[in-house]
Amino acid sequence: NAGVMQNPRHLVRRRGQEARLRCSPMKGHSHVYWYRQLPEEGLKFMVYLQKENIIDESGMPKERFSAEFPKEGPSILRIQQVVRGDSAAYFCASSSVEQGNYEQYFGPGTRLTVT
Amino acid sequence: GEDVEQSLFLSVREGDSSVINCTYTDSSSTYLYWYKQEPGAGLQLLTYIFSNMDMKQDQRLTVLLNKKDKHLSLRIADTQTGDSAIYFCAEKYSSASKIIFGSGTRLSIRP
Repeated sequence: NAGVMQNPRHLVRRRGQEARLRCSPMKGHSHVYWYRQLPEEGLKFMVYLQKENIIDESGMPKERFSAEFPKEGPSILRIQQVVRGDSAAYFCASSSVEQGNYEQYFGPGTRLTVT
Repeated sequence: GEDVEQSLFLSVREGDSSVINCTYTDSSSTYLYWYKQEPGAGLQLLTYIFSNMDMKQDQRLTVLLNKKDKHLSLRIADTQTGDSAIYFCAEKYSSASKIIFGSGTRLSIRP
């Protein structure tokens, strides 16, 4: 019973490049959440998706960031033209319809370093 | 407003009890959580409590909620070296999708 999977675990990008972060939810889960953790801080909510729909993107920066959760395949968080301030750990969480969204299970995270 | 506050560090002796405290501001919070993060790892959901409960116990873990003071605590009995980690307090209200996290308390264990 695999948990939430994220890849890559570590990603290094130069300023101006694009970063693509992938998240496969737990089996049976159809809700996905992305959070960002800056160094020495707690996690901050970015976006909540269900299959093919963005439900809540109130925590997403207005520019350069986008997220999708297609009918088939993993959820993708895309950061265009990365800057040093994007360096952080990005965590994905998932929940099932039955749990509502109060039991969110987290993946191991992708640590993005922008050089 | 949304804010979760916790102290940054706690050091305890192995075998003693650890008590990690947290305050939150949103009185409409429905769910309150404790997550554990080990170095370089993701977050592990340790336990959560509904706002209509005062206490929840699960093996070595005891969660106490004082809703009047908006104060949540996590007690770890018989603290072991494997308990060294960062512990995050978090809150969520039922209509929201997001969980709001504190900055985490780093627990270190002395021999």
